[in-house]
Amino acid sequence: AAGVIQSPRHLIKEKRETATLKCYPIPRHDTVYWYQQGPGQDPQFLISFYEKMQSDKGSIPDRFSAQQFSDYHSELNMSSLELGDSALYFCASSFTSGRSTDTQYFGPGTRLTVL
Amino acid sequence: AQTVTQSQPEMSVQEAETVTLSCTYDTSENNYYLFWYKQPPSRQMILVIRQEAYKQQNATENRFSVNFQKAAKSFSLKISDSQLGDTAMYFCAFMKRAGNMLTFGGGTRLMVKP
Repeated sequence: AAGVIQSPRHLIKEKRETATLKCYPIPRHDTVYWYQQGPGQDPQFLISFYEKMQSDKGSIPDRFSAQQFSDYHSELNMSSLELGDSALYFCASSFTSGRSTDTQYFGPGTRLTVL
Repeated sequence: AQTVTQSQPEMSVQEAETVTLSCTYDTSENNYYLFWYKQPPSRQMILVIRQEAYKQQNATENRFSVNFQKAAKSFSLKISDSQLGDTAMYFCAFMKRAGNMLTFGGGTRLMVKP
């Protein structure tokens, strides 16, 4: 079965640079989520999109922005990168029906290293 | 706001034996989902099992089963016939039924010994 695709899988950036992470959800999934997992920590919710509209927002820095496109893929844009942004970034997708949101399935993650 | 607590940072079990991982949560919601995700050394987040709060019957997936105690806000994971491939970090997670975000516990690192 098709899974969530994330690209790139690894990314190395310098401080103050920008980065763009991409996520392609499971076919027919209409909701995309972004999570950040620091070293030795549990994943923290950043932001989510349902039908191309932002649906929920967590602890996402103002330096980060995201959007979902017409083909349901999503991009997380990160500017003015800081050392503390080094983390594993997960995208997850699910299908939302009415007021019920189904199980979230995770991609393999993008490992971002800021030097 | 919801909180999820996993009180066992690390556990170990002998291959073929049974182990139980604990999870408690706090919420004022009545309709919600609970999940266990597994994160092996590859760091992939893999769904293990899901429980809907309105269902009294405990969820089961092959060797994995849960003990869901809604009144006590407890959601433990039992792994039977442990295998070496079960070695991983296990996260308990909460999601409101009409919500979006998953709230994770701090994780339990499980080591299965041969």
